[in-house]
Amino acid sequence: GEDVEQSLFLSVREGDSSVINCTYTDSSSTYLYWYKQEPGAGLQLLTYIFSNMDMKQDQRLTVLLNKKDKHLSLRIADTQTGDSAIYFCADETGGGNKLTFGTGTQLKVEL
Amino acid sequence: DTGVSQDPRHKITKRGQNVTFRCDPISEHNRLYWYRQTLGQGPEFLTYFQNEAQLEKSRLLSDRFSAERPKGSFSTLEIQRTEQGDSAMYLCASSSYTGTGGYEQYFGPGTRLTVT
Repeated sequence: GEDVEQSLFLSVREGDSSVINCTYTDSSSTYLYWYKQEPGAGLQLLTYIFSNMDMKQDQRLTVLLNKKDKHLSLRIADTQTGDSAIYFCADETGGGNKLTFGTGTQLKVEL
Repeated sequence: DTGVSQDPRHKITKRGQNVTFRCDPISEHNRLYWYRQTLGQGPEFLTYFQNEAQLEKSRLLSDRFSAERPKGSFSTLEIQRTEQGDSAMYLCASSSYTGTGGYEQYFGPGTRLTVT
């Protein structure tokens, strides 16, 4: 079945850029998503990328997709303390059904 | 619209009891999804509905679990004869086709279930 993997932790200083990486196995993925989860809360949709795109920019967020290597990354520019959270990548294999999530990357932003 | 809502937010129950959770999706969304999230893990898909039809169920959804969406609006998830392994956060999401972003799923705050 599908598998999505992420590194568990990332620590950055406030003002620096953060890069969160994700790999997936399903070659039929159509859309890939990034979600943010703060403690005790549900998931907030941050951004997404269609599988025929290489890059998408949305304000401080840049998503890069290497479809050949099945590698997805999320870059957060000028990281702030409010960005501290767990970030999940997820892939959708088409048809609007299930999302397969990674285990999440906990981002810690230090002053 | 205020987004996806779930009720209750927290539920503590004793092993063997039945529990039911409710999800109210974003009003214009025709798809509704249930996921389960355990500590330190990403959400895992359980089932989804398009309008009132249940279109897919995960193998994670044992016979003790049942979900309904009777009028294509709110949904309920019932767990019968709860076990300690059912302790988790149960997340609901809703979506409709955007034309550009596929089916963007918007999540509710979740119901945290603790089975003692």
